[in-house]
Amino acid sequence: GAVVSQHPSRVICKSGTSVKIECRSLDFQATTMFWYRQFPKQSLMLMATSNEGSKATYEQGVEKDKFLINHASLTLSTLTVTSAHPEDSSFYICSARDRTGVASYNEQFFGPGTRLTVL
Amino acid sequence: ELKVEQNPLFLSMQEGKNYTIYCNYSTTSDRLYWYRQDPGKSLESLFVLLSNGAVKQEGRLMASLDTKARLSTLHITAAVHDLSATYFCAPTGNQFYFGTGTSLTVIP
Repeated sequence: GAVVSQHPSRVICKSGTSVKIECRSLDFQATTMFWYRQFPKQSLMLMATSNEGSKATYEQGVEKDKFLINHASLTLSTLTVTSAHPEDSSFYICSARDRTGVASYNEQFFGPGTRLTVL
Repeated sequence: ELKVEQNPLFLSMQEGKNYTIYCNYSTTSDRLYWYRQDPGKSLESLFVLLSNGAVKQEGRLMASLDTKARLSTLHITAAVHDLSATYFCAPTGNQFYFGTGTSLTVIP
């Protein structure tokens, strides 16, 4: 159990286009999902926390108009990188916390990641 | 904000040797996770440590937690090549705070 999927796993796009990444919890309901960005050989950086049915909370320095997050259901959150530029190229990882958060010690379950390359 | 430091950042060790990775964090945390990441892959959960003095072992890896010292360790026993990866600690509260990561290379 506790599987999180991401789609696509890899995407290459031209500068100026928008890219949507989906994060799904496959076998549990996730009231909270998290979006991380990871540059090569660096740690994970939390971008935003997404709660179902409400606006996402963005970390300092993350442009909310550039990284649009929607968490419309208990099993799906999307991250849209708008007007992507080469500096947005990165590995994007989502995670989901189950609805109860009790049995799983509030653990986050991580998706497989999406490699974004902006040309 | 909780700050997390791992030591060392890079570790190259021979097969069969033992070594310890250290994770120091700046403020009180509810629990602490250890993850493994292979190149180009996402995170694989290794351990969750829930209380002071907690120790967990799986194969050649053993993790411990000292909440008073705000320190967790990941000990590697008799390293094998398959353990080569990057290891992250993540003390948590409402969110995860990831350490800097330790890139481990085990040399045959």
